[in-house]
Amino acid sequence: QLPVQESGPGLVKPSETLSLTCTVSGGSIGSSHYYWAWIRQPPGKRLEWIGSIFYSGSTFYNPSLKSRVTISVDTSKNQFSLKLSSATAADAAVYYCARQLIGVYFDLWGRGTLVTVSS
Amino acid sequence: DIVMTQSPDSLAVSLGERATINCKSSQSVSYSSNNKNYVAWYQQKPGQPPKLLIYWAATRESGVPDRFSGSGSGTDFTLTISSLQAEDVAVYYCQQYYSTLGTFGQGTKLEIK
Repeated sequence: QLPVQESGPGLVKPSETLSLTCTVSGGSIGSSHYYWAWIRQPPGKRLEWIGSIFYSGSTFYNPSLKSRVTISVDTSKNQFSLKLSSATAADAAVYYCARQLIGVYFDLWGRGTLVTVSS
Repeated sequence: DIVMTQSPDSLAVSLGERATINCKSSQSVSYSSNNKNYVAWYQQKPGQPPKLLIYWAATRESGVPDRFSGSGSGTDFTLTISSLQAEDVAVYYCQQYYSTLGTFGQGTKLEIK
């Protein structure tokens, strides 16, 4: 079992909300050393940072997605979540959750989960 | 946004030979005030998530073999594998974290010749 693991539906209908959860099992999500991030990779395209959250709830989003993204944290469950509203085919991708050393690089990644957007 | 452009897109190298992957940023990703270069390199093998290899452009992550090295500053960075092993077949990505909006290169696919 990886220290971070994504879960959620692999199929989302257009215009609906894509929702994923990342469970952190390799330590406390409440560490002051890390952000917790969502990154995606559409087929054949480069990796794209979606956003990050600190255990306190402070969030940082990619401006290109900010209007549709909500990242939240549940420290009691050692989980953080992604919601991306008004999904379109362009949102189809492998979605990764990752641990991010405060504001810098990503040192731990989940296995990734493929999300398809289709009716 | 800072654009990261890798070259080449794909590379075939013989076992035991040197592999070199380049990454160019659209603006400097180095701070002179702290002498740090805000670049990381990742390795992604088929069916696996990316794995951090190098950060601060030249610092190897714990457990990464010393045949992997990173260099560069300003806008030009390089990942070098000194003696290619079969297990190094993967796609390699650079990433800048100079800006809050961290961005990745398009990836370089490394194969055995």
